[in-house]
Amino acid sequence: DSGVTQTPKHLITATGQRVTLRCSPRSGDLSVYWYQQSLDQGLQFLIQYYNGEERAKGNILERFSAQQFPDLHSELNLSSLELGDSALYFCASSGQGNTEAFFGQGTRLTVV
Amino acid sequence: GESVGLHLPTLSVQEGDNSIINCAYSNSASDYFIWYKQESGKGPQFIIDIRSNMDKRQGQRVTVLLNKTVKHLSLQIAATQPGDSAVYFCAELNSGNTPLVFGKGTRLSVIA
Repeated sequence: DSGVTQTPKHLITATGQRVTLRCSPRSGDLSVYWYQQSLDQGLQFLIQYYNGEERAKGNILERFSAQQFPDLHSELNLSSLELGDSALYFCASSGQGNTEAFFGQGTRLTVV
Repeated sequence: GESVGLHLPTLSVQEGDNSIINCAYSNSASDYFIWYKQESGKGPQFIIDIRSNMDKRQGQRVTVLLNKTVKHLSLQIAATQPGDSAVYFCAELNSGNTPLVFGKGTRLSVIA
């Protein structure tokens, strides 16, 4: 158990819909990262938050947004969903400095 | 752009043999490197890390080697076991708590 909790584990929704993925980081970790992993692909960095503020942005679509709340949990919002958005979405958290990121078990999103 | 990549997409080894998974990185500013293991349906799991001021680090049955001259990273797994079957990712991090950049991954298959 990495200490990072993601909900839901599975999500099936229709094209055009909007979903929210939730992540609770490890206790004490201020950084939260979101990654997208398509079938048999690597992990594509989407966005990072540090202590409530956006720290870095990757290849995140304009239809996607995220935020980190005062209690440090984070949500990733995906809107106007397309079939190609079907993927595993991982959240990771880390402490200060160059430390390893701990990953949650992911949310498998299927857009039909 | 700068990226992290892997030499081999798949690797099959006999149980009991040693495995070597390679990774090339191109960002000379990266100073922290991590190997992750991802089993089917699970999130990436930290295996071992190494900072740029080192060229070798050993863990339990795993060794990471870093060659900064040629920007090459390798993961050696001794006495490979069926439980080692997974996809292995290398990741790099620059100073400043920037997000981890992942390579595409190498699938390790252990033949019993």
